[in-house]
Amino acid sequence: EPEVTQTPSHQVTQMGQEVILRCVPISNHLYFYWYRQILGQKVEFLVSFYNNEISEKSEIFDDQFSVERPDGSNFTLKIRSTKLEDSAMYFCAAKGRTQDANTGELFFGEGSRLTVL
Amino acid sequence: AQSVTQPDIHITVSEGASLELRCNYSYGATPYLFWYVQSPGQGLQLLLKYFSGDTLVQGIKGFEAEFKRSQSSFNLRKPSVHWSDAAEYFCAVGERQTGANNLFFGTGTRLTVIP
Repeated sequence: EPEVTQTPSHQVTQMGQEVILRCVPISNHLYFYWYRQILGQKVEFLVSFYNNEISEKSEIFDDQFSVERPDGSNFTLKIRSTKLEDSAMYFCAAKGRTQDANTGELFFGEGSRLTVL
Repeated sequence: AQSVTQPDIHITVSEGASLELRCNYSYGATPYLFWYVQSPGQGLQLLLKYFSGDTLVQGIKGFEAEFKRSQSSFNLRKPSVHWSDAAEYFCAVGERQTGANNLFFGTGTRLTVIP
């Protein structure tokens, strides 16, 4: 069973539409992350989330982005009004099972490919 | 600020040949170091990691990496490459502190394996 499961695997949307990407980590992870990878480029940090609030965010994570974990299970990334340049692979990651909270290892999902037309 | 450099964008090797992928990092102290692999259309899979102790670490799929503090390097090696190793390889550095410290990735090295 994978540590982190993401849905959808691929979403195509029109520019200006709202998109929600979902991530389900296993229950005892403590820290949650979103990364993105624009085609052909490196994996970039977007945001980290701990104890139901944002811990850190990058310059990429502007007001169009938001994250939440409303039910203690699903961890979602919302893009309010998508732009062409939001087209990318979005990776969810989690870490921090009780016994290894400080080791820094992240478990990544398989990614959600977003295509904005 | 942390940074990771992977100087080789693309490497081509013959099946059965040895492989070394370079990674240099910039960080004020000894970081956590990782190598991830990404097969086409797939997510990131952890190959190996260095936290402390023995500077030569063994990973999955026959990979190993050596942490060299004096060179700020964490190069990935494999003695004999298989065709299934063709993928994108990412080196990453994490901060040595508690909390929601995130990872910083290099730009990746694409490995092509020829028969």
